[in-house]
Amino acid sequence: DQQVKQNSPSLSVQEGRISILNCDYTNSMFDYFLWYKKYPAEGPTFLISISSIKDKNEDGRFTVFLNKSAKHLSLHIVPSQPGDSAVYFCAASGNRGSTLGRLYFGRGTQLTVWP
Amino acid sequence: DSGVTQTPKHLITATGQRVTLRCSPRSGDLSVYWYQQSLDQGLQFLIQYYNGEERAKGNILERFSAQQFPDLHSELNLSSLELGDSALYFCASRSNFGTFNYGYTFGSGTRLTVV
Repeated sequence: DQQVKQNSPSLSVQEGRISILNCDYTNSMFDYFLWYKKYPAEGPTFLISISSIKDKNEDGRFTVFLNKSAKHLSLHIVPSQPGDSAVYFCAASGNRGSTLGRLYFGRGTQLTVWP
Repeated sequence: DSGVTQTPKHLITATGQRVTLRCSPRSGDLSVYWYQQSLDQGLQFLIQYYNGEERAKGNILERFSAQQFPDLHSELNLSSLELGDSALYFCASRSNFGTFNYGYTFGSGTRLTVV
């Protein structure tokens, strides 16, 4: 049962434009959300996170938005750069039950930024 | 270098065989997580150890087992290997069991190919 879903396996964006990656979740116990970036032949690396008490978190070109009522979050990259081309994983965690101390990952979205 | 070391990087073995994947967590991290990434699949949680004790189990097959040693390194043992076990296996670590602000630190993975 996929509790974190990334329904778009791929996204292609022109350099300089905005990239928007989406993620949906089903478990109401999730209260912390993270985005990871993965290049080929490397492990995922932490990119940005957001707590459920916030609806937006910004770090440079990266902004994550959280809509708790819709159980939806998105990652915005502005402006997109060719070096952003990677697989982006959405992940979620909680502080109760089976969500405690464990990350649930989506299947990832391959972002390609072309010149 | 993330600080999480996984060996070997690549492994090719025949069906029915047994292999051991090794992970050394980041210095000071007590928790170790194992994830499997198959083709077109997200990161599937296998098992978690905290300071030598098993803490959580995910979609880990009975043919698979793991342990964490007193020096905190961990090993994932895969036996009676099948073609479908071919995947990337990631180890991740984090410093404590509670707060989750920065998620995990991942190693670069072991690519297992079963032929």
